[in-house]
Amino acid sequence: EVQLVESGGGLVQPGGSLRLSCAVSGFTFRNYWMHWVRQAPGKGPEWVSRVSSDGSIMNSADSVRGRFTSSRDNTQNTLYLQMNSMRAEDTAVYYCARGVGAAAYFDSWGQGILVTVSS
Amino acid sequence: DIRMTQSPSTLSASVGDRVTITCRASQSISDSLAWYQQKPGKAPKLLIYRASSLESGVPSRFSGSASGTEFTVTINSLQPDDFATYYCQQYYSFSTFGQGTKVEI
Repeated sequence: EVQLVESGGGLVQPGGSLRLSCAVSGFTFRNYWMHWVRQAPGKGPEWVSRVSSDGSIMNSADSVRGRFTSSRDNTQNTLYLQMNSMRAEDTAVYYCARGVGAAAYFDSWGQGILVTVSS
Repeated sequence: DIRMTQSPSTLSASVGDRVTITCRASQSISDSLAWYQQKPGKAPKLLIYRASSLESGVPSRFSGSASGTEFTVTINSLQPDDFATYYCQQYYSFSTFGQGTKVEI
């Protein structure tokens, strides 16, 4: 069974940093591009970032570029999202998702983890 | 950036109804369009990819179609489990989601 489990969320002050993790099982992690998608309260999902299967390519949305970085450890079957210089508008539920191909739709999602940016 | 405009934002329906949700892309995206269902407190669930391909395990009452930059998902004979919010997603250029359609009783 494919499983993705996020951790590391919580409350952070504006300007602060947080690192999310996504532990995966049930599939060959190193074969897939992986993505982060977030959803602010009452809003639709927003794609945040992706990292290639070998970790050599990383792309981010304009809204987080220069502040958020996704990475992965294929030996630990874990995906990461490093979030710096956080803003109130980064408050959302963050999901890791498995991409089908580089230009991807998402066929498996984690349960999501809440990140709140507030003083 | 590619914008996805979804309509309607809310749809009231009854069990057994046939419902259609539309998503329009701001530019050509070929058939790089997926549909998701989301229930409160849960992650989105993939229903359809490549505009009209049904994800494994998804009931056949769901179907997708495309005409140019306009995409639709249709639910034939709405079931109680189908009351949820539906999102389209383009993946032609990175990824953009529509704003969602809530299907309510």
